[in-house]
Amino acid sequence: KQEVTQIPAALSVPEGENLVLNCSFTDSAIYNLQWFRQDPGKGLTSLLLIQSSQREQTSGRLNASLDKSSGRSTLYIAASQPGDSATYLCAVRDAERDDKIIFGKGTRLHILP
Amino acid sequence: GAVVSQHPSWVICKSGTSVKIECRSLDFQATTMFWYRQFPKQSLMLMATSNEGSKATYEQGVEKDKFLINHASLTLSTLTVTSAHPEDSSFYICSAMWARPRDTQYFGPGTRLTVL
Repeated sequence: KQEVTQIPAALSVPEGENLVLNCSFTDSAIYNLQWFRQDPGKGLTSLLLIQSSQREQTSGRLNASLDKSSGRSTLYIAASQPGDSATYLCAVRDAERDDKIIFGKGTRLHILP
Repeated sequence: GAVVSQHPSWVICKSGTSVKIECRSLDFQATTMFWYRQFPKQSLMLMATSNEGSKATYEQGVEKDKFLINHASLTLSTLTVTSAHPEDSSFYICSAMWARPRDTQYFGPGTRLTVL
């Protein structure tokens, strides 16, 4: 059974710092991995999607890496801003059951002005 | 990108009543829609998968008689929480995809249900 773990559960950093969010998954047989952002009481905003054959994806100040064999992904946020404050969710799409997405509990990020 | 809407965005109801939540794909036809539930500070958990014109497939532990799902058209799926109780209070999110397998899933904005 696939399980997704995100560490840390919460993180506060001063504005301008670079930071890394971690995600691990137990079954390396994934189709893809996706990072989402969720603001309080809101839905999901897709940030980056990495296919199982890829190593990383970049969008602006965000960079996500994937090491499928070790079951790990990181989301790197450069030059953090207060507007980056949100919960970041990591989700994997199971290769066996190809449409099921398994989510982690998220990392609650607070950027201090 | 494709747009998925949910209605209502929030609802408050009394214990014992039934509540219907709609999920619509606005600019594409969704052959498959998914319903997720998210408790505070918890991850999204898949409740069920619905395919247009057929019965929904429920995840283990989800009561199909309590959470009625109807996917009568290619743009609309509904989730009805029957005889709602306070423990059903949660954030419900749907997603929709055009084609299986492995097409992109587009997520709705979610519906906050509070049962008094």
